Amino acid sequence: EIVLTQSPATLSLSPGERATLSCRASQSVSSYLAWYQQKLGQAPRLLIYDASNRATGIPARFSGSGSGTDFTLTISSLEPEDFAIYYCHQRYKGFTFGPGTKVDI
Amino acid sequence: EVQLVESGGGSVKPGGSLRLSCVASGFTFSSFWVHWFRQAPGKGLVWVSRINTDGRDTRYADSVKGRFTISRDNAKNTVYLQMNSLRAEDTAVYFCARDNFYTGFFSDSWGQGTLVTVSS
Repeated sequence: EIVLTQSPATLSLSPGERATLSCRASQSVSSYLAWYQQKLGQAPRLLIYDASNRATGIPARFSGSGSGTDFTLTISSLEPEDFAIYYCHQRYKGFTFGPGTKVDI
Repeated sequence: EVQLVESGGGSVKPGGSLRLSCVASGFTFSSFWVHWFRQAPGKGLVWVSRINTDGRDTRYADSVKGRFTISRDNAKNTVYLQMNSLRAEDTAVYFCARDNFYTGFFSDSWGQGTLVTVSS
């Protein structure tokens, strides 16, 4: 099974600051990696697919990069609604998620 | 508007059964693969199962293989998850989601989830 590790576990920032979230895979997943945002009591929301493509309706402040085993989600300037948990997810071999990074104030 | 609505969750004793339903609308349901994911209280997301467009190709996580069965009825725009021999560790919110070719076959639309509680 491909294990995804996310860091940090918690990111404490303020609105307007830049957030950099990391996801590392235990083996290469090529570019078959996505990022999801989840707020309490809600379903996950697709932000980024294939490592760097923004999903429909996702603001440009969200960007993804990386390939192989190391990936990054960047939120260029945090808005109040961005405080949530972010999961990376691979579908290269099976389907697994990272444990999540909580972005809070 | 694309919509997926789960139902069928509830409380059940260990060893019991439940059947979850996921009703889709707003898109050509028969053209999309569908997944079930789950999330235990306060925990992360876990993939459970997926089914292809005609229902003939199904996959399961090892943790549910032999106990859960995914199926679909394209005439009713519905995917089912039959869950047998339920265990305490199956307690979770269960989400259905569709794959989308246009988002690299990652799930772009999810239901709001249905809670399954397995407890004696």
